[in-house]
Amino acid sequence: QVQLQESGPGLVKPSQTLSLTCTVSGGSISSGNYYWTWFRQPAGKGLEWIGRIYTSGSTNYNPSLKSRVTISVDTSKNQFSLKLNSVTAADTAVYYCARDCSSQGIFDYWGQGTLVTVSS
Amino acid sequence: EIVMTQSPATLSVSPGERATLSCRASQSVSSNLAWYQQKPGQAPRLLIYGASTRATGIPARFSGSGSGTEFTLTISSLQSEDFAVYYCQQYNNWPITFGQGTRLEIK
Repeated sequence: QVQLQESGPGLVKPSQTLSLTCTVSGGSISSGNYYWTWFRQPAGKGLEWIGRIYTSGSTNYNPSLKSRVTISVDTSKNQFSLKLNSVTAADTAVYYCARDCSSQGIFDYWGQGTLVTVSS
Repeated sequence: EIVMTQSPATLSVSPGERATLSCRASQSVSSNLAWYQQKPGQAPRLLIYGASTRATGIPARFSGSGSGTEFTLTISSLQSEDFAVYYCQQYNNWPITFGQGTRLEIK
C-alpha cells in the first residue's frame, strides 16, 4: 500500500519561501509511470493543482503559480519537494501531495495534508 | 482554464435515499472527469474517473455519468459514511481544475 506524507514548517513569514517535502513509502517513487503532484486547499475552499514532477525530473506547473514554484525529486530518498517563493497570506492553505496514477491527472493516493500559515 | 461548476452547493438528504450531484464544465472535457470525496480533516478520496469508472474499492452505490460538459454523480442509497464534500475534477486540459464542491449533509 503506497503512502504519502507531507512534512515541513507550519509557519512561514511573508516574502519568504515555503518548503515542503513528500515522502513516499510502500513502493519506489521511480517505479511505474507516475507523476508526483502538489495541491493546496485554502480553508473552506476548493482544491488547486500546483504542479507535478516525473522521476526523470520533467515538471509541469500551474500557470498561475509558475513564476514562484519549483518542484524537485530525490529518488534516493523516495521524496519529492515543493518550493514556493515570495509567499503572502494568500498562500495560507493545507498542502497535499498525491500520486497521479494515469499521467493524465487521476490521483489515487494522497498524503493527509499539512497546514501552512503565512504570517509574520 | 476550464471552470468547473458544481450544484447544488449543499444537498440535504436522508440516509437510505438517493443523492444526485451535478457538475458542469465551461467547455467540453470529453469523459476526462473524476469525482472525489473529502471528509473533514482528510485528504480527497478518488471515487470515479473517466466519468463513470469506479476506482478500486469504491462501493457500487456510487455511479457517475455524463460526457462533454454535463456530469452527474449518483449515490443510490446513502450510508452514514457518505456524508461529506464531493468535488468534480477535469483532466482534459492543463491546468487540471476542480469544482468548488457540493456538501452532502444529513437531512
